[in-house]
Parts: sequence; structure tokens; C-alpha cells
Amino acid sequence: DVKVTQSSRYLVKRTGEKVFLECVQDMDHENMFWYRQDPGLGLRLIYFSYDVKMKEKGDIPEGYSVSREKKERFSLILESASTNQTSMYLCASGVRQGRILEQYFGPGTRLTVT
Amino acid sequence: DAKTTQPTSMDCAEGRAANLPCNHSTISGNEYVYWYRQIHSQGPQYIIHGLKNNETNEMASLIITEDRKSSTLILPHATLRDTAVYYCIVKLTFGKGTLLTVNP
Repeated sequence: DVKVTQSSRYLVKRTGEKVFLECVQDMDHENMFWYRQDPGLGLRLIYFSYDVKMKEKGDIPEGYSVSREKKERFSLILESASTNQTSMYLCASGVRQGRILEQYFGPGTRLTVT
Repeated sequence: DAKTTQPTSMDCAEGRAANLPCNHSTISGNEYVYWYRQIHSQGPQYIIHGLKNNETNEMASLIITEDRKSSTLILPHATLRDTAVYYCIVKLTFGKGTLLTVNP
């Protein structure tokens, strides 16, 4: 079975702190994704990566950056956390077969910024 | 980008078929429709995908209209464990999903 793990289930940070959310997958997938999930808004794509050192902006990249130095690891970085970044963050990895992309999600990190 | 529209919530009796609709009227000709579900406190789980033809797997069936502007996910015999938020997505746009509540 595919396993996607996220470094923390719950995280509390202060406004202005630099925050790292880590995601690791064990299936040698090329593609990795970061989403945030908020009540009433569903899942929104922040960034994704289709290869090592490659990144693409999603729908809401402002205030975030990412790093993909190794194939199995995709990090989401909040340079200066703000209270409006309090959210559930979900990481996914995926394998593409032609135009078909199936994603596997981690359990999520609930981040609270105070 | 293609967007999807789903009802906010639906109820279904245990053992009955659950039919979850999705509108994706702006879908492009070569884009797949995917369905995922999210059980409380877990990450979304892939269910099924389709392009033009109807699809079936061990979890569900997917019916796509001929014009591809809408689709329906069918859970043939819903159980209490099927209570979840169901997302219909095109490309990487998830939307808000449908909360399906299966009642005993």
C-alpha cells in the first residue's frame, strides 16, 4: 500500500514564525501536492511538484513556498506564519499513467497560528 | 479551468443505492473526472475515474453523460461506513464536495 506521511498531526505556531510542514511518500511517485482545507471552501491546491527540484503554483500559493530536494519528500514552508494560515494541510503524492493521475493523501496536519 | 458543482449534502438509507451527482459543464474533451471521498479526520481516498464510458470497480460505479457535462457516482448498497464527503474533481480542482449521510 502507498503510504504518505506528514510530520505532525497537530501544530501550534506563533504569528511571524517560519513553519515547515514535511511530507514523505514511499512509492517513488513523481508527483506531489500540497492542499489546504477550510470549512466551506473544500480543498484548495497550494503548490505541486512533478519532479525533484520542480514546482508549480496552484490556486493559492501566496504566503507559501515549497521545496523538493529529494523525490520522496515535499516540504511546505510558511515564511512568516499569519493567523489566516490556520488550516488543515493535506499532502498527496500521485502517479501519472498517460493523462490519468491518481492521488494518495496523507492524514493531514492541523496548523493553528496564534 | 474546469470547475465542478455538487449538492452540499445528501441522505441515503442503509442498504439502498446512493446516487451522487456532479456538474462539470466546462470540462475539456480530454480531461478525466475523478471521485474521491473523505471520511472524518482522514485524508481523501481515491474512488474511481472516467473519461467517456461508464466505469465500475469494487467501490462504486461512475455514469458520465454523453455530453460529458455531468456525472453520477453510484454506491450500489450504501453502508454506514460510506458516510463521508464525496468530491468530484477535474484536474486538481476539488471544490466543496457532497456530505453523504447514510442512515440506519
